[in-house]
Amino acid sequence: EIVLTQSPATLSLSSGERATLSCRASQSVFNYLAWYQQKPGQAPRLLISDVSKRATGIPARFGGSGSGTDFTLTISSLEPEDSAIYYCQQRTKWPQTFGGGTKVEIK
Amino acid sequence: EVQLVESGGGLVQPGGSLRLSCAASGFTFHNYAVSWVRQVPGKGLQWVSSISTSGRDTYYADSVKGRFTISRDNSKSTLYLQMNSLRAEDTAIYFCAKLPGVIILDYFDYWGQGTLVTVSS
Repeated sequence: EIVLTQSPATLSLSSGERATLSCRASQSVFNYLAWYQQKPGQAPRLLISDVSKRATGIPARFGGSGSGTDFTLTISSLEPEDSAIYYCQQRTKWPQTFGGGTKVEIK
Repeated sequence: EVQLVESGGGLVQPGGSLRLSCAASGFTFHNYAVSWVRQVPGKGLQWVSSISTSGRDTYYADSVKGRFTISRDNSKSTLYLQMNSLRAEDTAIYFCAKLPGVIILDYFDYWGQGTLVTVSS
């Protein structure tokens, strides 16, 4: 199966700062990569699909980039409500797999 | 508004069975593939199973194949997960998730709030 490795495990930044989250695949997933946000006690929410397409209602400060095996989720200017765990997911091959997550903490 | 409401979770002994349900509303259920995804509390996400719009095509993670059965009743807009021969490692929150269309290998655009399954003696 395709293994997705996310880094760093935890990111601690202040409001207004730029957050850069990484997701690396064990083999090419082409552009079939999504990002989800999960807050404590809540279900995951789709943020971005196909590397860079923001889902409905997702603010423009969330952006995705990358191709092949290396992908990045960027939050251009952190807001307090962005405190959450972020997961990447590939849909290139069965089984679809998720990364282990990056926790974003707002100082 | 899309809504997915899971039910049926609870405490079950190892080797036991449980059936989860997911009631869908706010969209035309039979037009979309749907899935189950689970999460051990405090841990990451794991895809469990997916089913096509008609219910004819089903897919399972290796860890549950032969023990779990996914099904759907389009007349009731409801998704099911029959879980047999449960193990301690099946303990998790089980989420019902909608896919964006008919393609089964896809992202999950809407999620329910989840139902907790605990397998313990």
